[in-house]
Amino acid sequence: DTGVSQNPRHKITKRGQNVTFRCDPISEHNRLYWYRQTLGQGPEFLTYFQNEAQLEKSRLLSDRFSAERPKGSFSTLEIQRTEQGDSAMYLCASSRRENYEQYFGPGTRLTVT
Amino acid sequence: GQQVMQIPQYQHVQEGEDFTTYCNSSTTLSNIQWYKQRPGGHPVFLIQLVKSGEVKKQKRLTFQFGEAKKNSSLHITATQTTDVGTYFCAGPRGANNLFFGTGTRLTVIP
Repeated sequence: DTGVSQNPRHKITKRGQNVTFRCDPISEHNRLYWYRQTLGQGPEFLTYFQNEAQLEKSRLLSDRFSAERPKGSFSTLEIQRTEQGDSAMYLCASSRRENYEQYFGPGTRLTVT
Repeated sequence: GQQVMQIPQYQHVQEGEDFTTYCNSSTTLSNIQWYKQRPGGHPVFLIQLVKSGEVKKQKRLTFQFGEAKKNSSLHITATQTTDVGTYFCAGPRGANNLFFGTGTRLTVIP
């Protein structure tokens, strides 16, 4: 069990640029989640994959956000035309089945200047 | 909409004192999970409670799930500096995601 990994760990970008983050879940976990966390708040759900299917998206996920999990393994989260309000920690988590504990990665901290 | 509130928001304790955080949901929960997030770290799963009135212990940590399955608590006996962090409760929202509480940030003064 190598844990959930995320890359990059930090990203600084200028407003208007596109960014892409990657998440590698625990290998036998077929469920993958993306969350966003701002300072002093709990993680907020963004989207969920079961294998390669994206089954749920939060209303927080505007049209500028897109997520993929092409082969049911790693996942990418892309933010287009970044805005300063997108600055946050983006967390990925995986789990073995529904309503089961989630294992979080270290997160990608995005700063939009 | 569904809300999960935690109190207190912050707690400072002297090392060796006890600590309790309370989690209250606006709706009945099928289960509740607790996570700990160290400063600069990511949430780490602690425990899941499923049954009404359930009590589980992990060393100095005691977790309770209310009879009505709308509230929960985490109690730490004789805090240590390693207990520092933010403690979140989380309830399921639908089948596919968790709704995290507001968190309680614990500071332990040596």
